[in-house]
Amino acid sequence: DVQLVQSGAEVKKAGESLKMSCKASGYNFANHWIGWVRQMPGKGLEWMGIIWPGDSETRYSPSFRGQVTISADPSIYTAYLHWSSLKASDTAIYYCASQGGGDCSGGSCYDLWGQGTVLTVSS
Amino acid sequence: QSALAQPASVSGSPGQSITIPCAGTANDIGGYDYVSWFQQHPGKAPKLIIFDVSNRPSGISHRFSGSKSGNTASLTISGLQPEDEANYYCNSYSGSTTLGVFGTGTTVTVL
Repeated sequence: DVQLVQSGAEVKKAGESLKMSCKASGYNFANHWIGWVRQMPGKGLEWMGIIWPGDSETRYSPSFRGQVTISADPSIYTAYLHWSSLKASDTAIYYCASQGGGDCSGGSCYDLWGQGTVLTVSS
Repeated sequence: QSALAQPASVSGSPGQSITIPCAGTANDIGGYDYVSWFQQHPGKAPKLIIFDVSNRPSGISHRFSGSKSGNTASLTISGLQPEDEANYYCNSYSGSTTLGVFGTGTTVTVL
């Protein structure tokens, strides 16, 4: 099956580190952009950044540059989102999204989404 | 990069047609034919329903259609059905960030 499966819900304290994952299957992971989207409680969608797993080219939204690190390991078809020091304001649902679903050929078309990872950070 | 502007809510009766506008700039919607639309039901992941302005992914109903004029894109839902009640987000490639930029989101209510 063509799918993205994200790691499970996390409950953390402010100041802790976290690396969440997104495992792809069913398509050529190295040759499609994959990105991360934040959705804060009751709010809209925000692009955090995207990565091309084949060469690790990464692009960050200005709002998230320096706040998180996006990485990927094409050998295990997995993308990551990492925080070195969490804040209470990082509490949100995080989605990974890929262009590997079969309909997209570039631009800003993302046709494959993970189920989302709920992150709760207490102060 | 500011979010693209969408109305907070749009409503319609079953069978009617509604249109959701999405206003951007020449640096995103106006400059590229890379507008997509997502449907999100409560507690679910977003689902792509339109890509590259007016194309439907496989399996998406013909009742959903997209268009663009200048710096504004639009999503039209025809023959409105109860299951169309959801949040809808536009998204466009942005030349300034080389990423996408989402719209503010529109809640569609079926009366």
